Amino acid sequence: GIQVEQSPPDLILQEGANSTLRCNFSDSVNNLQWFHQNPWGQLINLFYIPSGTKQNGRLSATTVATERYSLLYISSSQTTDSGVYFCAQYSGTYKYIFGTGTRLKVLA
Amino acid sequence: AAGVIQSPRHLIKEKRETATLKCYPIPRHDTVYWYQQGPGQDPQFLISFYEKMQSDKGSIPDRFSAQQFSDYHSELNMSSLELGDSALYFCASSLRQGAYGYTFGSGTRLTVV
Repeated sequence: GIQVEQSPPDLILQEGANSTLRCNFSDSVNNLQWFHQNPWGQLINLFYIPSGTKQNGRLSATTVATERYSLLYISSSQTTDSGVYFCAQYSGTYKYIFGTGTRLKVLA
Repeated sequence: AAGVIQSPRHLIKEKRETATLKCYPIPRHDTVYWYQQGPGQDPQFLISFYEKMQSDKGSIPDRFSAQQFSDYHSELNMSSLELGDSALYFCASSLRQGAYGYTFGSGTRLTVV
């Protein structure tokens, strides 16, 4: 079945630093999403990005479908960026399979 | 913009009790999904419905059942609750079975004591 791996598993940053999170997937990607789970548990859509590059403020994402990976860039990190970042790949049976997440803590 | 509405936000039940979680999808979304997230884990797919019919089933215990109603809202029923059922339960909705991505609700935090 589909396997989605994320790295690093944990990341601690000083406020203002930049970071890159990686998502590797085992199968050809049709659709891929990035989510942020905040400390209150809410899952927030960041990007729907089956291929190419998208940007939203300080966040951007790139998916290279042919090489089966996606990257999430966070620039000028803020304490509110803390939480868990998940990527999820769309499976052939109409559901998204989540990666194990990257736990990010941004220190003031 | 309207979002996915879940109720209740928090629920505390005793072992062997029954719980019902509700999900109201984004208007005109035809697909609903349920996920379970244990402490420190990634969300695990439970079950999905497309146009009121079950479309896929994951690791959902036999004690759990779900359905989607004519107004497209969905309910997850959990019986004979166990301590291990304590988790965040998310509902998500989409168009066309997720072809263009999901939107998640805020989740229901179930605590079984």
